[in-house]
Amino acid sequence: IAGITQAPTSQILAAGRRMTLRCTQDMRHNAMYWYRQDLGLGLRLIHYSNTAGTTGKGEVPDGYSVSRANTDDFPLTLASAVPSQTSVYFCASSDSSSGHNEQFFGPGTRLTVL
Amino acid sequence: GNSVTQMEGPVTLSEEAFLTINCTYTATGYPSLFWYVQYPGEGLQLLLKATKADDKGSNKGFEATYRKETTSFHLEKGSVQVSDSAVYFCALEDSSYKLIFGSGTRLLVRP
Repeated sequence: IAGITQAPTSQILAAGRRMTLRCTQDMRHNAMYWYRQDLGLGLRLIHYSNTAGTTGKGEVPDGYSVSRANTDDFPLTLASAVPSQTSVYFCASSDSSSGHNEQFFGPGTRLTVL
Repeated sequence: GNSVTQMEGPVTLSEEAFLTINCTYTATGYPSLFWYVQYPGEGLQLLLKATKADDKGSNKGFEATYRKETTSFHLEKGSVQVSDSAVYFCALEDSSYKLIFGSGTRLLVRP
């Protein structure tokens, strides 16, 4: 059982370029999340999806978009990367149908925008 | 709005020392509370949780008690090990089941 996988592991990107971070889970969880982790700020929610076909904005959605075409995949796209998007990005999933449930995290993608 | 405040790190301890990492929260109602741990180079994983007031979550020798009077959920361990070195995040679950994290506390345990 893989759990959650993310790709790529790391990436260096020129400002203005488009980039998609991939996330796949095999636990059939209904909910998925994208966070960014920055030193001293903890994890901040970018976008989420409570079920396939729906998405919502988190705390810091600007400059990012997501889609949820099926249960397993939840890609995060930076349409035109900027240096302030340099961060470590974590995807997570949970069975949120009843609350109080654990979120499972992927290993992260370290993104550097120059 | 909802928020979580953690003590700033890093916290440096010798092996077998007692650990406390403070966490307080601001929220409407009584949210579920969590501690997550992040080992170097990895994603976060759930350490323990408490879903209502006076509940005690425990796992791997760590404990935390949900105190609604002081809106706190402090993490404790009686005797830390080098392998406990990690970053610890306190979090609350809001009314739409999303997590709000504190800024994290780095723990370094020296042999």
